[in-house]
Amino acid sequence: GDSVTQMEGPVTLSEEAFLTINCTYTATGYPSLFWYVQYPGEGLQLLLKATKADDKGSNKGFEATYRKETTSFHLEKGSVQVSDSAVYFCALNADTGRRALTFGSGTRLQVQP
Amino acid sequence: NAGVTQTPKFQVLKTGQSMTLQCAQDMNHEYMSWYRQDPGMGLRLIHYSVGAGITDQGEVPNGYNVSRSTTEDFPLRLLSAAPSQTSVYFCASGRLAGQETQYFGPGTRLLVL
Repeated sequence: GDSVTQMEGPVTLSEEAFLTINCTYTATGYPSLFWYVQYPGEGLQLLLKATKADDKGSNKGFEATYRKETTSFHLEKGSVQVSDSAVYFCALNADTGRRALTFGSGTRLQVQP
Repeated sequence: NAGVTQTPKFQVLKTGQSMTLQCAQDMNHEYMSWYRQDPGMGLRLIHYSVGAGITDQGEVPNGYNVSRSTTEDFPLRLLSAAPSQTSVYFCASGRLAGQETQYFGPGTRLLVL
């Protein structure tokens, strides 16, 4: 079946540091890939997405590139802020009929001033 | 627009009790779904619906019922609560066409004693 693997957290960084959160996937066909963010006490918000190979999703300074050859969708940001502290989920949708999202286990990011 | 709303925010149940978690959306989305979030496991799909009168099972449907009598509402029923159902429950909605974004509600935290 479909699966998403994310790096274990928590990831602790100082403000203005470079961020990478690794995400790899297993799926049949050509899934769409997503990064969701969950701020403390809130629901999930879509951060960015990519629907085909080599697409780059970007939002709020975050970027991720759909790499079909390595089945990866790593999240990056050049300079993190304290306000980026949250849990980040990588997800895929391999079945457009069901629209079901398969999530990774989440990576908690803590940014210290 | 209110987006996706969920009630209650928090609930404590005793084993064997039943309850209904409410979910409503005002975006006229065809697709609605329920996920549960457990520590270290990401989100897992419980049930989903692609339109009024149409529901189907997700990854972890046992112990839960759903119905979709209107486009706006998608309640989740726990028939006889068990401690294993202690979790945070999220409702999501989205359009069926293409790879449109799914929007998540703020969640319901359920504790079963």
